[in-house]
Amino acid sequence: DTAVSQTPKYLVTQMGNDKSIKCEQNLGHDTMYWYKQDSKKFLKIMFSYNNKELIINETVPNRFSPKSPDKAHLNLHINSLELGDSAVYFCASSQDPRLKIYNEQFFGPGTRLTVL
Amino acid sequence: AQSVTQLDSHVSVSEGTPVLLRCNYSSSYSPSLFWYVQHPNKGLQLLLKYTSAATLVKGINGFEAEFKKSETSFHLTKPSAHMSDAAEYFCVRKTSYDKVIFGPGTSLSVIP
Repeated sequence: DTAVSQTPKYLVTQMGNDKSIKCEQNLGHDTMYWYKQDSKKFLKIMFSYNNKELIINETVPNRFSPKSPDKAHLNLHINSLELGDSAVYFCASSQDPRLKIYNEQFFGPGTRLTVL
Repeated sequence: AQSVTQLDSHVSVSEGTPVLLRCNYSSSYSPSLFWYVQHPNKGLQLLLKYTSAATLVKGINGFEAEFKKSETSFHLTKPSAHMSDAAEYFCVRKTSYDKVIFGPGTSLSVIP
C-alpha cells in the first residue's frame, strides 16, 4: 500500500547512457514532482506536472525530460548521463497546489543514481 | 531574493534534552511553511505545516513549531529528544504554487 513508489531504488550506469526512473502514486493526487538531492543533501525542485500538464519547469538541462502518461505516473528520462547527474532523485505528489498553497507533498523513497 | 535559512547545519543533543532547530525565511508577506524530516536512506516525511490558522503548530512525534512574523522565523522544537529523532530536517517555504524552496537542512544527532 505504498503511497509514492519509485523504481529503481539504485541505478548505476556509465557516462553517456540514457536511463529512466519511474514514479507512481496511489493517493489520488493530481500533481507530481521531481526533485534532485545532491551530495550535500540540498534539495531542488526540477519539474511539476498537474493532470499531465507541465506547471513547474526549473532550469534543468534539456537532457532531462519528464513524461506523464497519466496523473498517477511521472517518469524521468535522462539522456547522455554526466558525472554531475549523480544524486538522489525524489518523486513527490500532492493535491493541486494552485487550489491550496499549503497542500503538502508526499515523497517517494528516492532513487540513488550513480554515474561512473 | 526569496530564501530559507537554517542557521545550523548540524545540531547534537543528548537523549531526553530539548531540541531546537532554527529556520528563518525572507519574504515580504506570510508564506506557507513546512518542516520535513528525512531519516537515513529514506524519503521525506511531513512533520508539520503552517497555514496561518495558528502561529503555534503541533506536528507528529511530539514536534512543534512557532511562526513569528516579526522575526521571520519558524523554529522547530521538541521537549525531549529520542534516539529515533536522529535525521535530517528541512524547512520548506512556498510563496505560490510554483515557488517551493527548501532550506539547506539541519542534521540532528542524538547522543545516548
